[in-house]
Amino acid sequence: EPEVTQTPSHQVTQMGQEVILRCVPISNHLYFYWYRQILGQKVEFLVSFYNNEISEKSEIFDDQFSVERPDGSNFTLKIRSTKLEDSAMYFCASSEFNEQYFGPGTRLTVT
Amino acid sequence: GESVGLHLPTLSVQEGDNSIINCAYSNSASDYFIWYKQESGKGPQFIIDIRSNMDKRQGQRVTVLLNKTVKHLSLQIAATQPGDSAVYFCAGADSGAGSYQLTFGKGTKLSVIP
Repeated sequence: EPEVTQTPSHQVTQMGQEVILRCVPISNHLYFYWYRQILGQKVEFLVSFYNNEISEKSEIFDDQFSVERPDGSNFTLKIRSTKLEDSAMYFCASSEFNEQYFGPGTRLTVT
Repeated sequence: GESVGLHLPTLSVQEGDNSIINCAYSNSASDYFIWYKQESGKGPQFIIDIRSNMDKRQGQRVTVLLNKTVKHLSLQIAATQPGDSAVYFCAGADSGAGSYQLTFGKGTKLSVIP
């Protein structure tokens, strides 16, 4: 069964450093998403991406964040200068139409 | 903005019994809903979805009910098994606005007692 994959599973970084979280969506999917989940809190929408551009973004997705689809398979989330409050699980999701399928997540720890 | 929330934070059921997990939403424009299951250390796993033009949808051992009048949906799990133990989230979207941005509830933890 096709699935969304994410790397790394855990990323530890120092405050102020740049991180890139990587995702490989399901191959025939056209819509891609990033969500995050701070420990003990709700899953929160960050951004959606379709046809090589951002479709929607939340207030969380400020200038420190960017997304890219550098090739036909990868979808990345970059945080330019990490803050302590960026520590969270980051989930990538993809969909063909409505049903969004999530990856296993990357746990980002900012120290 | 939209808010999707859950009535019960925890639910314990005996193996073999039926489970009902509830969810309320605040945005009457929400027209698409998904239930996800999240096991410890894993991402949300799609269970079942429903559009607002339906009030009931069934899957394998699961049923989702939608009551638009009171902005409430529920997930029913038949013959609950130990493998069903997880946190269950409802999520909604206003697809009529061209958005599939999902707004999640906080989650209900389901514990199955063997």
